[in-house]
Amino acid sequence: QVQLQESGPGLVKPSQTLSLTCTVSGFSVYTANYYWSWIRQHPGRGLEWIGYIYYSGITYYKPSLQSLATISLDTSKNQFSLKLASVTAADTAVYYCAGGRSSSWFDYWGQGTLVTVSS
Amino acid sequence: QTVVTQEPSFSVSPGGTVTLTCGLSSGSVSSNYYPSWYQHTPGQAPRTLMYTTDTRSSGVPDRFSGSILGNKAALTITGAQVDDESVYYCLLYMGGGFVLFGGGTKLTVL
Repeated sequence: QVQLQESGPGLVKPSQTLSLTCTVSGFSVYTANYYWSWIRQHPGRGLEWIGYIYYSGITYYKPSLQSLATISLDTSKNQFSLKLASVTAADTAVYYCAGGRSSSWFDYWGQGTLVTVSS
Repeated sequence: QTVVTQEPSFSVSPGGTVTLTCGLSSGSVSSNYYPSWYQHTPGQAPRTLMYTTDTRSSGVPDRFSGSILGNKAALTITGAQVDDESVYYCLLYMGGGFVLFGGGTKLTVL
């Protein structure tokens, strides 16, 4: 059974870097042709795709977040991570990690973690 | 800027049938957009229902079905149950590695 679990600070100060990790169990993040994504949901809003990393390390980001977001893969720990630089209150959201066989949809989801940006 | 459109809300009676749609602010949705659907109940992980238009994800009952209706992707729930009350999101592949969620449809079953 594939499980994804997000972890990281629940509170980040404005202008700092948000850092989250997704630990995958029951499946290798280095499995060929798999994609690992980050998605967020602002309070009272819908889902927003942030970006993904391919098993080979190639990354794609939502254009409006491309200059601020970095997704990386750690195959030794079977994890992938998100860093979002220069955060503001507008980055307060529940962040989900997800994964799957395609860049076009998601097969597996984490439970989500709330990150609040506040001084 | 292209927006993926969904009905903000929908209501269905238990045992009834409802069709939720997923369109584009400009243009038509086809299978080339690889539409997928997700059920999201607050406080829980989203659940994948459907991908590549009409392929049910593992464990999803066959009362959920996907299709292209006219110029939109559609998710039909036949024999709605109270447990189906949730928010449903569609996702479209826009090309170049970029995907876009719709705003979600809040489904009420009563």
